[in-house]
Amino acid sequence: DQQVKQNSPSLSVQEGRISILNCDYTNSMFDYFLWYKKYPAEGPTFLISISSIKDKNEDGRFTVFLNKSAKHLSLHIVPSQPGDSAVYFCAAYTGNQFYFGTGTSLTVIP
Amino acid sequence: KAGVTQTPRYLIKTRGQQVTLSCSPISGHRSVSWYQQTPGQGLQFLFEYFSETQRNKGNFPGRFSGRQFSNSRSEMNVSTLELGDSALYLCASSLDPRSDTQYFGPGTRLTVL
Repeated sequence: DQQVKQNSPSLSVQEGRISILNCDYTNSMFDYFLWYKKYPAEGPTFLISISSIKDKNEDGRFTVFLNKSAKHLSLHIVPSQPGDSAVYFCAAYTGNQFYFGTGTSLTVIP
Repeated sequence: KAGVTQTPRYLIKTRGQQVTLSCSPISGHRSVSWYQQTPGQGLQFLFEYFSETQRNKGNFPGRFSGRQFSNSRSEMNVSTLELGDSALYLCASSLDPRSDTQYFGPGTRLTVL
């Protein structure tokens, strides 16, 4: 049972435009959410996180939004750069275990 | 600080064989988790170890097992390999089970022929 879902397997965006990656979850016990970025032949690296008591967190070009009522999480990348091309995983944490989505492959076209 | 290391990076086995993968966490990290990544399935949680004890286990058959040593290094073992076990196996470490961020190693790519 996939408790964290990323329904878009892939996304293509022009360089300089906004990339929006989406994630939905089903478990209301999740209290912390994270985004990881993964390049081929490397492990995922932590990108940005948000606590369930917030609805927005920014770090440079990356902003994560949390809509608890909709159980929806999104990652905005502005402006998108070719180096952002990677697979992005969202993850949710219960305080006990991490649950990961299936990933969205982002391609930023120069 | 050195990151999480995993050995070997690549492995080819045949059906029915068994395999052992190794993970060395970041120095000072005592919690180690293992994940299986396959296309379309994302990262599936295998198990988590802390202080040499398994804290959590995902929904995988008993052929998948692991252990953690006193220096926090961890190994996972898969017995009687099946074609469907071909995947990237990722290890992640954190300070302790309550840490809200995990740090991943590069993974071991296992191919079962």
